[in-house]
Amino acid sequence: DIQMTQSPSSVSTSIGDRVTITCRASQRISRSLAWYQQKPGKAPNLLIYEASSLESGVPSRFRGSGSGTEFTLTISSLQPDDVATYYCQEYNTFWTFGQGTKVEI
Amino acid sequence: EVQLLESGGGLVQPGGSLRLSCAASGFTFSSHAMTWVRQAPGQGLEWVSTISASGTRTYYADSVKGRFTISRDSSSDSTFLQMNSLRADDTAVYYCAKVRLHPGGDDAFDMWGQGTMVTVSS
Repeated sequence: DIQMTQSPSSVSTSIGDRVTITCRASQRISRSLAWYQQKPGKAPNLLIYEASSLESGVPSRFRGSGSGTEFTLTISSLQPDDVATYYCQEYNTFWTFGQGTKVEI
Repeated sequence: EVQLLESGGGLVQPGGSLRLSCAASGFTFSSHAMTWVRQAPGQGLEWVSTISASGTRTYYADSVKGRFTISRDSSSDSTFLQMNSLRADDTAVYYCAKVRLHPGGDDAFDMWGQGTMVTVSS
C-alpha cells in the first residue's frame, strides 16, 4: 500500500506569509495527487488535482507542484480564511490521504 | 447546483448494522464514480470505498473489506453504504463524495456532502 506523509504536521504563521506544505508518497504516483482544505466542522474542499491544476473557484494564491513522489502545496500570501487543515491524497492506486497539516495564525 | 445529501447515521451497538444513503443532484449521476470517506473524531480523513460510474467495479479499504458494501441506484441517483459487524473504531463522520471525471474512480473528489455521524457504542 502507498503511504502519504505530509510535513509539517502543523504550522503557525502570519497573514501575508508564504506557506509551503510537502507531501511525500512511498512510491511513484505520477501526478495523481490532490490537495484538500478542511475547516473545522465542515466537509473537505478540493483545491488542486493532477498535482498542479487549480479547481474552479479556488483562489490563485494556492499552487500545487511536483510529480513522482514529492509534491508541494504553496499558499503565496496567507489570508485569514486559509486557516484550516490541508490534506494531500493520491489516486494512482487507491485513494490514500496524508495525515493532514494544520495551518494556524 | 451540485448537491450530495447523506442520511442514515446514528447510534448503533457493536456488531450491529447501519445503511447510509447519499442522494445526488445537479450532475449526471450515471457518469461519475462515487465514494465514501470517513473521519473519526479529531482524526484525519480515511478513504472507505468507491464504486465506478457503471457500478460494476467496487473498491474497499482493508479496514472495512468484508463488512461494508457499496452500491448505487441510477433510478434514484443515490449511493449507499451497507455497514455490518460494526466496531467501535468505525465511529466517525461519513462523507459521500463525487469523483471528478474518471468513470472508474481514478480521480480526485470534487464535491462532498455535509457528512453523517455514525457512533458505535454499547
